[in-house]
Amino acid sequence: QKEVEQNSGPLSVPEGAIASLNCTYSDRVSQSFFWYRQYSGKSPELIMSIYSNGDKEDGRFTAQLNKASQYVSLLIRDSQPSDSATYLCASRSGGSTLGRLYFGRGTQLTVWP
Amino acid sequence: GAGVSQSPRYKVAKRGQDVALRCDPISGHVSLFWYQQALGQGPEFLTYFQNEAQLDKSGLPSDRFFAERPEGSVSTLKIQRTQQEDSAVYLCASSFAASSYEQYFGPGTRLTVT
Repeated sequence: QKEVEQNSGPLSVPEGAIASLNCTYSDRVSQSFFWYRQYSGKSPELIMSIYSNGDKEDGRFTAQLNKASQYVSLLIRDSQPSDSATYLCASRSGGSTLGRLYFGRGTQLTVWP
Repeated sequence: GAGVSQSPRYKVAKRGQDVALRCDPISGHVSLFWYQQALGQGPEFLTYFQNEAQLDKSGLPSDRFFAERPEGSVSTLKIQRTQQEDSAVYLCASSFAASSYEQYFGPGTRLTVT
């Protein structure tokens, strides 16, 4: 079973703060990791992908990957109310299940003004 | 350019009816995926096509579920004899290639079986 676990929410932060979202995965063969944002009633929207250990920054978003610890995180700096959504962590294996994504249940983030 | 499109956006079916859900991927995307998302859960993989070939259908929950992509572009997910437990959002995603590119999702079809 290739599991992706996300820290239980909901997470609530004030506007301007840093929101930290965490994810662990069980399959050591996993090679690629993704963060999707999903607004209520909408479909997942890709916001970050990360493939190698370390940090990857894109605007206010930073993804961090530690393959030894099987841990992925997403930091959102200067959080805005428009960031309020469910954030889904996903992994993609390089093994026999090539291509398919395994998703966590998501962490609901609320940014209050 | 245009993203992934799906139709219908909403479908209500009586238990026992057959339904067909359509996905039109991003132009040029070779890989197409179907996922099922229940309320409060992350998407669960159903099946995957590379061009017209269905390379993985291990996520289809029963033999009532069938998917096809005959010309390597538009795909249809068919559910026969729908049951209440089939109620979910069905998401289609496409990518340029399966192994090394990001997947982009369509708006989904919300299926309600009454």
